[in-house]
Amino acid sequence: AQKVTQAQTEISVVEKEDVTLDCVYETRDITYYLFWYKQPPSGELVFLIRRNSFDEQNEISGRYSWNFQKSTSSFNFTITASQVVDSAVYFCALSDIDQTGANNLFFGTGTRLTVIP
Amino acid sequence: GAVVSQHPSWVICKSGTSVKIECRSLDFQATTMFWYRQFPKQSLMLMATSNEGSKATYEQGVEKDKFLINHASLTLSTLTVTSAHPEDSSFYICSARTVAGGYEQYFGPGTRLTVT
Repeated sequence: AQKVTQAQTEISVVEKEDVTLDCVYETRDITYYLFWYKQPPSGELVFLIRRNSFDEQNEISGRYSWNFQKSTSSFNFTITASQVVDSAVYFCALSDIDQTGANNLFFGTGTRLTVIP
Repeated sequence: GAVVSQHPSWVICKSGTSVKIECRSLDFQATTMFWYRQFPKQSLMLMATSNEGSKATYEQGVEKDKFLINHASLTLSTLTVTSAHPEDSSFYICSARTVAGGYEQYFGPGTRLTVT
């Protein structure tokens, strides 16, 4: 069964500090996708990244970076030089692929990040 | 591109009444739409998956007679909460997948339902 664990419920950092949000997943599938979403106070989910199971290259996008390690089933997210606007709840999610090519998203419980000015 | 809207964005209703929430894909056709529920400070839980022209598939524990889902066209899915009760108060989010398939789900902005 698919499972996503975000052990950090809440994190507070001071502005300009770096912060890493942890994500550990479980799946028996060979092919799967991992996602990170941001949910600001407005509630709308903002897509940040998708990574497929065959691509373990780390990715950097501006102040954001992601570290995917299949050996430890982890897909961690780092924000460098955090800003107040980064304050939000961040969800890690796992998507499997069924016989029809459909996907179901399994969300972690989220990490609430507060960046203190 | 790939914009999903929801209407209404928030609604307050009295216990016992029914509420309909619309989910629309504005610039693409969606064969599949998903409905999620999110309680305060909790994660998103998938309620059901709806495919255009067929019955929705509900997740275990979700009452299909209480949460009626209709996916009548490739751009519209509706969720009707029937005989709403205060415990149905929640944030409901829909997402849509394109006809072309792939593995992206595009999320709507959510609907906050409060049942008094």
